[in-house]
Amino acid sequence: AQSVTQLDSQVPVFEEAPVELRCNYSSSVSVYLFWYVQYPNQGLQLLLKYLSGSTLVESINGFEAEFNKSQTSFHLRKPSVHISDTAEYFCAVSGIFGNEKLTFGTGTRLTIIP
Amino acid sequence: DAGITQSPRYKITETGRQVTLMCHQTWSHSYMFWYRQDLGHGLRLIYYSAAADITDKGEVPDGYVVSRSKTENFPLTLESATRSQTSVYFCASSGSYEQYFGPGTRLTVT
Repeated sequence: AQSVTQLDSQVPVFEEAPVELRCNYSSSVSVYLFWYVQYPNQGLQLLLKYLSGSTLVESINGFEAEFNKSQTSFHLRKPSVHISDTAEYFCAVSGIFGNEKLTFGTGTRLTIIP
Repeated sequence: DAGITQSPRYKITETGRQVTLMCHQTWSHSYMFWYRQDLGHGLRLIYYSAAADITDKGEVPDGYVVSRSKTENFPLTLESATRSQTSVYFCASSGSYEQYFGPGTRLTVT
């Protein structure tokens, strides 16, 4: 069984400040890791994913996450946030054999303060 | 339109009624999933399907029924709706490692 913990349910950040959203996972097998973003009244969109290779993965809009196997973490970071980053962010984990079920964390609501 | 769609987008129903939520995808993905989203719980898997006529339970299947007669459709039925099934329901499909989500259906059971 797998589980995901997002300790911060809400994170307020001033515009242009850096942010880190924390994600820790538990699994007895190898995993793939994902961050999904949900803008208000929309579905979930994949932000970035770790499947293999470099432990640092980046998105097209400036977010990055680092897979840390020893700490079982996959924290999401952005050096300078914008108003448009206001959304809910979900960390998720799956097994590595393709088409496997996702286990989600409870989400972190990121609010950008002008 | 290409992608994954859900209907209706909003639904209000009464306790005890049967409700069916529709999900349609145009990618011919073999896997499809139904999740419910509730505050404090994130997304929880209700049912999933590996192919037409192959379905399996997820984390919270009680009170729900699914079918998949065609690859592109994966309807979710609440046989006798209860207030605890008030939620936002998301359908997703997957062709490999990545899941693509529909826009969601907001269901209110009164």
